[in-house]
Amino acid sequence: GAGVSQSPSNKVTEKGKDVELRCDPISGHTALYWYRQSLGQGLEFLIYFQGNSAPDKSGLPSDRFSAERTGGSVSTLTIQRTQQEDSAVYLCASTRTGKAEQFFGPGTRLTVL
Amino acid sequence: DQQVKQNSPSLSVQEGRISILNCDYTNSMFDYFLWYKKYPAEGPTFLISISSIKDKNEDGRFTVFLNKSAKHLSLHIVPSQPGDSAVYFCAASAGEYGNKLVFGAGTILRVKS
Repeated sequence: GAGVSQSPSNKVTEKGKDVELRCDPISGHTALYWYRQSLGQGLEFLIYFQGNSAPDKSGLPSDRFSAERTGGSVSTLTIQRTQQEDSAVYLCASTRTGKAEQFFGPGTRLTVL
Repeated sequence: DQQVKQNSPSLSVQEGRISILNCDYTNSMFDYFLWYKKYPAEGPTFLISISSIKDKNEDGRFTVFLNKSAKHLSLHIVPSQPGDSAVYFCAASAGEYGNKLVFGAGTILRVKS
């Protein structure tokens, strides 16, 4: 499809395990963002990639969280030693150069037991 | 601290009437504002935006009003339709291009037929 895709759509893991979440942005979009939405909350910014520039990691809640973007396209968000408070919907978005409107994927619902 | 606030968790409106969703912000650096709509199990979908150099932007049934002095914006939907029932998020950014969005907690809109 032409939209942002994310996988898996759902992930259930045990506390202490590592998880990887994947995002495929819209082709040609240079900027990629990760957000998360906890129950009853708005979206919380995590990290932002723009082209070859150093990512803006100012929203990552702890050093257990990291993300990379390979080849300027696909991105992976990794959460190490997951905790129950990491349970949330993780959303990825992308934008074209010079545009502000971000296009979101369907999200990955992460449940840490 | 919540920089973007949507103080009404929910709103119920009769089909055909006007829906007004409100949003307040505290950060004077915000100069670009967006509204997103979200259905369950889907990512947010961009609706309409406004730059701080304007006080109104209209797109079909959707109009966004910005009052910079009051740090307040609102989304008007008229006429409201049952398909508009969703969660509406207000978002703001400092700078129009390539910046993270700061989201409100959302307002659940129910349009009754």
